[in-house]
Amino acid sequence: EAGVAQSPRYKIIEKRQSVAFWCNPISGHATLYWYQQILGQGPKLLIQFQNNGVVDDSQLPKDRFSAERLKGVDSTLKIQPAKLEDSAVYLCASSLSGSSNQPQHFGDGTRLSIL
Amino acid sequence: LAKTTQPISMDSYEGQEVNITCSHNNIATNDYITWYQQFPSQGPRFIIQGYKTKVTNEVASLFIPADRKSSTLSLPRVSLSDTAVYYCLVGDIGGYSTLTFGKGTMLLVSP
Repeated sequence: EAGVAQSPRYKIIEKRQSVAFWCNPISGHATLYWYQQILGQGPKLLIQFQNNGVVDDSQLPKDRFSAERLKGVDSTLKIQPAKLEDSAVYLCASSLSGSSNQPQHFGDGTRLSIL
Repeated sequence: LAKTTQPISMDSYEGQEVNITCSHNNIATNDYITWYQQFPSQGPRFIIQGYKTKVTNEVASLFIPADRKSSTLSLPRVSLSDTAVYYCLVGDIGGYSTLTFGKGTMLLVSP
């Protein structure tokens, strides 16, 4: 079974620029998550999709972050404009359903550095 | 959401058994307990999950006492490759529940 694919693996931009990350979840997984992981901390959920609908985006900074999951498969996360504090690893995960007894499968993330 | 408390770090030697305890005093009736492992430059990986008593798989065992206010992840005979951060999470089994990651426990295995 192919895992969760993310790209790019690394990205370096200057503050106030925009950036986009892409995620392809495991085939058949209805739920997709985007997490932000700052160095030394655990992942923080930014947004959760069930198919192509948003279930939870309470911790997404909506003034600069946006995400979409067209057709309920692939997803993109965008930051515009980026701030220095956005430097982090952005992780995508997927699960069969959104229940907590369904394990989440993570990609290896995109490491974003803001100069 | 039930909050979890874990040790920040633990040290062990190869071949030893490692037990990492997680406290979740306000766990709810419908909450499951899940453990993830994370290596540097990788996403977290699911290890084991349980509701009560004991669960065992090819990687680890999970012990949950009757009151469910804590749980212990047991790693038998660790090797250097078990050096990682281990996260304990608690979440509702129903609906679209959000799991909250804490800082986890950094396990360092030495030769």
